Amino acid sequence: GAVVSQHPSRVICKSGTSVKIECRSLDFQATTMFWYRQFPKKSLMLMATSNEGSKATYEQGVEKDKFLINHASLTLSTLTVTSAHPEDSSFYICSAIALRQTSGNQPQHFGDGTRLSIL
Amino acid sequence: RKEVEQDPGPFNVPEGATVAFNCTYSNSASQSFFWYRQDCRKEPKLLMSVYSSGNEDGRFTAQLNRASQYISLLIRDSKLSDSATYLCVVNRRGRGSTLGRLYFGRGTQLTVWP
Repeated sequence: GAVVSQHPSRVICKSGTSVKIECRSLDFQATTMFWYRQFPKKSLMLMATSNEGSKATYEQGVEKDKFLINHASLTLSTLTVTSAHPEDSSFYICSAIALRQTSGNQPQHFGDGTRLSIL
Repeated sequence: RKEVEQDPGPFNVPEGATVAFNCTYSNSASQSFFWYRQDCRKEPKLLMSVYSSGNEDGRFTAQLNRASQYISLLIRDSKLSDSATYLCVVNRRGRGSTLGRLYFGRGTQLTVWP
């Protein structure tokens, strides 16, 4: 089945550091990847939709200058949390849709998440 | 109003019990529906898609009622390994977009005890 790899799985760093998270589709091409954030005991919240070769679409309330997204190839999207602060500590998860599944009615394939802790 | 509403639980049931989860969604334009399972501190994993005709996968049965915008999941003969959070998920296309996005419920926590 489709596999999405996310790296790193765990990050602990000081306040003010920028952190880059990678999301790769391993056995399929993904024109679209999604970035979610989940706080403890809360539902996943979509942060942005990452489109290969174009600018990401951010959800309302998500700062595009703080959460930089680059989707330079059909198998890789990156999320950079710039100048991270303790309130950015969360579980970040990416997902991808295969190239042929852009009808939007197929389930997304999730990466295994990145747990970010800012001290 | 939230896109997807779920009873957060927790549901604590003994092994072998039957347990049912309910979910409602607010937007009638929603197109596809799923149940995901999320283990503690892990990513969501697709459990099953949900169809209007109802569908079954082993011990799991999912139902969709579009008229009342209601989705359910029934787990029969619960196993210890069923302990997890069950997420009700709805896919809906945005206006002017060909691509859907997922809306997640906050999940229903299930603990199966021996």
